[in-house]
Amino acid sequence: DGGITQSPKYLFRKEGQNVTLSCEQNLNHDAMYWYRQDPGQGLRLIYYSQIVNDFQKGDIAEGYSVSREKKESFPLTVTSAQKNPTAFYLCASGRSGPLNEQFFGPGTRLTVL
Amino acid sequence: AQSVTQLGSHVSVSEGALVLLRCNYSSSVPPYLFWYVQYPNQGLQLLLKYTSAATLVKGINGFEAEFKKSETSFHLTKPSAHMSDAAEYFCAVSVINFGNEKLTFGTGTRLTIIP
Repeated sequence: DGGITQSPKYLFRKEGQNVTLSCEQNLNHDAMYWYRQDPGQGLRLIYYSQIVNDFQKGDIAEGYSVSREKKESFPLTVTSAQKNPTAFYLCASGRSGPLNEQFFGPGTRLTVL
Repeated sequence: AQSVTQLGSHVSVSEGALVLLRCNYSSSVPPYLFWYVQYPNQGLQLLLKYTSAATLVKGINGFEAEFKKSETSFHLTKPSAHMSDAAEYFCAVSVINFGNEKLTFGTGTRLTIIP
């Protein structure tokens, strides 16, 4: 089955710890995206990558880092510099180009204790 | 810059009634527009998309949306609501940026179905 997987589904961390969220796709998409979702705020773009070994900051990149070493993988690290990391994180992928239709993974809910 | 505005953060309709979720867009170029649905604790699923091929777009689960350039709107409708339609719905526009395209989402509308 083709799709996007995110792991883990639920993640707990203590304040001051870095944590990495996994996102893998087997759709052969060039572009991948990370969003943060908070109640009442919709989706906000953290980072995106249009091609392997290249990525751009989105609207709320502070306190986050990413890598894109492989086409199918786009892990997101939430660092201790992120002041309010508790949120629902969504990964998406799509073909490059102006249409930009995106396909989403099931999400990871991160809770900072 | 392209953007979308969803009117109404919460909408309630009775089972069997018409569903109407509103989305207005702002774009200086012909836009690509999307409606996504999200069930609790899940990712987003594409309902339908407008790519300028036809102004009335039919999607999954009986939903459709009409692109109206004169009103800069792309409202989502369904003739008869089902309990299973209860979810959050997001309108989105593709932001064209010469190889750095991305989607901009509205703040979402939570749809409640009253039995």
